[in-house]
Amino acid sequence: NAGVMQNPRHLVRRRGQEARLRCSPMKGHSHVYWYRQLPEEGLKFMVYLQKENIIDESGMPKERFSAEFPKEGPSILRIQQVVRGDSAAYFCASSPFADGYTEAFFGQGTRLTVV
Amino acid sequence: GENVEQHPSTLSVQEGDSAVIKCTYSDSASNYFPWYKQELGKRPQLIIDIRSNVGEKKDQRIAVTLNKTAKHFSLHITETQPEDSAVYFCAASKELGAGANSKLTFGKGITLSVRP
Repeated sequence: NAGVMQNPRHLVRRRGQEARLRCSPMKGHSHVYWYRQLPEEGLKFMVYLQKENIIDESGMPKERFSAEFPKEGPSILRIQQVVRGDSAAYFCASSPFADGYTEAFFGQGTRLTVV
Repeated sequence: GENVEQHPSTLSVQEGDSAVIKCTYSDSASNYFPWYKQELGKRPQLIIDIRSNVGEKKDQRIAVTLNKTAKHFSLHITETQPEDSAVYFCAASKELGAGANSKLTFGKGITLSVRP
């Protein structure tokens, strides 16, 4: 099991471009969380998805940000018209089921730099 | 919503000494309290966690204590080594695992430096 895979590891975008961040959960995991870590800050929850459903997007900015977790393929966090303030590390975590006993595992993160 | 605060923001100790990192939380419904270690440029790694029905948990040189009445929990590292140098985050959630109640609220992190 390769663990939670995120790509790309590093992404540079110019202001106004779109950024697409991908997260492939661990095999058998159907729950995905996205967190954002600003420089020298803790991680902040953005969105929680199950396959084909957004369950909780209370941490997502209202504009420019969207997320999906299709039936097949990775979860995608999409940022449109990026601005300098979007520069951060974006981590996803996956979990197999809501059993109350199994932790979520983090990926290595995507470091987005907006120039 | 939940608010987790972490003190201090930096900590420097001599190799072999103990380090204690403290966190407070605000939501009495929180029941799960993990600690993560993050090395530069790497993912957060779970090092120990505790649930609200337990007051203390130990794993070799690492221990965590929880005071639900006061809403604070602490990480204790004994016999520190240079490889313990990293950023440590505390977090809280209502539940462990998956589900809407399992989203984690993190503290801002503390940079621990262990001097050889």
